Amino acid sequence: GENVEQHPSTLSVQEGDSAVIKCTYSDSASNYFPWYKQELGKGPQLIIDIRSNVGEKKDQRIAVTLNKTAKHFSLHITETQPEDSAVYFCAGVISSGSARQLTFGSGTQLTVLP
Amino acid sequence: GAVVSQHPSRVICKSGTSVKIECRSLDFQATTMFWYRQFPKQSLMLMATSNEGSKATYEQGVEKDKFLINHASLTLSTLTVTSAHPEDSSFYICSATPFVAEETQYFGPGTRLLVL
Repeated sequence: GENVEQHPSTLSVQEGDSAVIKCTYSDSASNYFPWYKQELGKGPQLIIDIRSNVGEKKDQRIAVTLNKTAKHFSLHITETQPEDSAVYFCAGVISSGSARQLTFGSGTQLTVLP
Repeated sequence: GAVVSQHPSRVICKSGTSVKIECRSLDFQATTMFWYRQFPKQSLMLMATSNEGSKATYEQGVEKDKFLINHASLTLSTLTVTSAHPEDSSFYICSATPFVAEETQYFGPGTRLLVL
């Protein structure tokens, strides 16, 4: 089955700096990669996703890059703000037939220092 | 759009009682709903996959008689924790997948269960 590894487990940055979180996946059949932000005591919120036919996607201060050959993808947050502080999870999905289960990474606790 | 609600948000119960958690997709019909469990400072663990009108598919190690799932409509799935014990205390989160974007999962706000 799919295995998704996520690094780092914790990340502290100064407000205004950039933050990068990296994930690798094992199954080359994975073709959809969402990123979720989870604030304390809340459910995960989808913040950006990318499909395997695209190498990069941006949405304002957030971007995701995908390297299919190396089987890794990254989340980039620019101009970080204190409200970006949360746990971020990457995930991989194999879309085949009816099987569309998410395999989550272990999460990254991002702290943006004011 | 793509809002998923859960009820209750928090529940405290005595050991041996059963607890029902509802998951609703508010503005879309969901082909599939998923139930997850999350322990503090850990990632989400998939418990079961639920399709409307059919039996849920449980992950290995998840007792189907312990965690009853009913998916009665395209907008509602319920998880019942039967004969709850303190070790069942956890954060339970559901997600739903719209017809039009079947890879995308939208998550509910979660239900905090505390079994005394």
